[in-house]
Amino acid sequence: EAGVTQFPSHSVIEKGQTVTLRCDPISGHDNLYWYRRVMGKEIKFLLHFVKESKQDESGMPNNRFLAERTGGTYSTLKVQPAELEDSGVYFCASSLWGGETQYFGPGTRLLVL
Amino acid sequence: AQSVTQPDIHITVSEGASLELRCNYSYGATPYLFWYVQSPGQGLQLLLKYFSGDTLVQGIKGFEAEFKRSQSSFNLRKPSVHWSDAAEYFCAGFNNAGNMLTFGGGTRLMVKP
Repeated sequence: EAGVTQFPSHSVIEKGQTVTLRCDPISGHDNLYWYRRVMGKEIKFLLHFVKESKQDESGMPNNRFLAERTGGTYSTLKVQPAELEDSGVYFCASSLWGGETQYFGPGTRLLVL
Repeated sequence: AQSVTQPDIHITVSEGASLELRCNYSYGATPYLFWYVQSPGQGLQLLLKYFSGDTLVQGIKGFEAEFKRSQSSFNLRKPSVHWSDAAEYFCAGFNNAGNMLTFGGGTRLMVKP
């Protein structure tokens, strides 16, 4: 069974540009989560989808971040425009409906110059 | 507020020595607790989890953890460390009243030959 996949693995962009990160959850997992770890800090929750609906987006830092999960399958996280402080590793995780165990992808390492 | 704390940022042990990584939690109710590991260039891999029942849980790669309610701790142990265990280890908690994992700051393990 394929795990959670994320694309790209790395992204280097300039301040003010736009970047879109993609996450493909484990097949059949209704729950999809985005987390972020900025340099030297803890891994922090960004938002949670149940199928295509946003269940909780309390961790989204500001309106420059937009997450979607059309059709309840893969998800995208767009940062527009990117700022220096957005640099970090963005993790995606998924779990079964009612499941407490979250399975993580390899992360996307974003560097904003 | 719910929190997870890992007091040790870095730990160095000799190969073959025993290992204990500390994790303390602060939750109103008994949380679901997890240990994840991130090897260099890899994503977060689940080592083990505690939901209820037996307070000593076994995980992959020879790791175990013990839940101690009286000490609010969930320390990770391994009797004999291998060089391939060098990685960053994260303790995390999940309260079923919520939907997100709360992570500790991580402990980076170095293994001396």
